[in-house]
Amino acid sequence: EAGVTQFPSHSVIEKGQTVTLRCDPISGHDNLYWYRRVMGKEIKFLLHFVKESKQDESGMPNNRFLAERTGGTYSTLKVQPAELEDSGVYFCASSPGGGSTEAFFGQGTRLTVV
Amino acid sequence: DQQVKQNSPSLSVQEGRISILNCDYTNSMFDYFLWYKKYPAEGPTFLISISSIKDKNEDGRFTVFLNKSAKHLSLHIVPSQPGDSAVYFCAASHFGNEKLTFGTGTRLTIIP
Repeated sequence: EAGVTQFPSHSVIEKGQTVTLRCDPISGHDNLYWYRRVMGKEIKFLLHFVKESKQDESGMPNNRFLAERTGGTYSTLKVQPAELEDSGVYFCASSPGGGSTEAFFGQGTRLTVV
Repeated sequence: DQQVKQNSPSLSVQEGRISILNCDYTNSMFDYFLWYKKYPAEGPTFLISISSIKDKNEDGRFTVFLNKSAKHLSLHIVPSQPGDSAVYFCAASHFGNEKLTFGTGTRLTIIP
């Protein structure tokens, strides 16, 4: 069974540009999460989808970040325009739901804004 | 405001000995705790968890202890093996909210 996959694995963009990160969760997982780790700090929650609906987006830093989950399958996280402080590793995770809290993580996308 | 704290950024342990990783939390609403292990360039992988109704959970070489009164949990690895060298994250959640709150991680190095 395929795990959570994220594209690209690494992205370097200039300040002011737009970047779109993609996440393909494990098939059948209703819950999809985005997290971010900045410069060796804690892994911070960004938002949570249940199927195609945003359940909790309390961790989104500001309105430069837009997440979508098309048809309850894959998800994209767009940063527009990117700022230097957006640099970090963005992790996507999925879980089947039904009270399961053990989320399965992708390998992450390392975003560097220069 | 960091609700989950791992105060030791790094820990070195001799192979075969016990590794003890510590985690403290401040939010008394947390009722489920997890440990994740992370290798470089990979995502975190789930290791072991414990519910607040228990004080110990064991899985092979890994045991997690929970002290609710002290708001403290620890992960014991016995015996430690070279493949255990990784960054370990403590995480917490509470019922009805499946998002995880993570600590900053502890880098464990097992010395052969």
